Amino acid sequence: QKEVEQDPGPLSVPEGAIVSLNCTYSNSAFQYFMWYRQYSRKGPELLMYTYSSGNKEDGRFTAQVDKSSKYISLFIRDSQPSDSATYLCAMSPTGRRALTFGSGTRLQVQP
Amino acid sequence: IAGITQAPTSQILAAGRRMTLRCTQDMRHNAMYWYRQDLGLGLRLIHYSNTAGTTGKGEVPDGYSVSRANTDDFPLTLASAVPSQTSVYFCASSPGGHQPQHFGDGTRLSIL
Repeated sequence: QKEVEQDPGPLSVPEGAIVSLNCTYSNSAFQYFMWYRQYSRKGPELLMYTYSSGNKEDGRFTAQVDKSSKYISLFIRDSQPSDSATYLCAMSPTGRRALTFGSGTRLQVQP
Repeated sequence: IAGITQAPTSQILAAGRRMTLRCTQDMRHNAMYWYRQDLGLGLRLIHYSNTAGTTGKGEVPDGYSVSRANTDDFPLTLASAVPSQTSVYFCASSPGGHQPQHFGDGTRLSIL
């Protein structure tokens, strides 16, 4: 079983919808949580970075971490066609810098 | 524009050949990383370097080697390429500690 599980999608939503992307993980030592966005034939681009549990908001994006359930989420409000990309969750434990990634969820926002 | 430059952007290589993927960053980050990305498997760490002069093995190091002679450059070498090394390779860097990693745009490598 993978340490980090992520539904591959594709997830197709209409423009303006609220999108919910999720990852579950098995390693309780994970403390640092990230969401990356990856456009086709490009490198991952950091969207959100959180430490431990709680919420973090940045514009249309909100990241949530629930360590008790080993579950993290990324919400996108007022989704736009330009949000169409693959979204990767990533995490690491204290003392280890290397990231463990989910396999990514492909999102399509239909105009 | 500051960032990470990877070269080549794509390459087709015969099995058994030696290949070096180049990675240069101009952000003066201490830590650098090499990942491979395969469909359904996500990004997996090959090798990393916490600071110039040091390197370490990641999750899938076999068949790959790295060096870190200075802060800016972190080349990845395939000594004798095999078809299973067909993948997209990403270089990343971070300032250190648990600061987020920043990625280049990758090298698409096909081994025939």
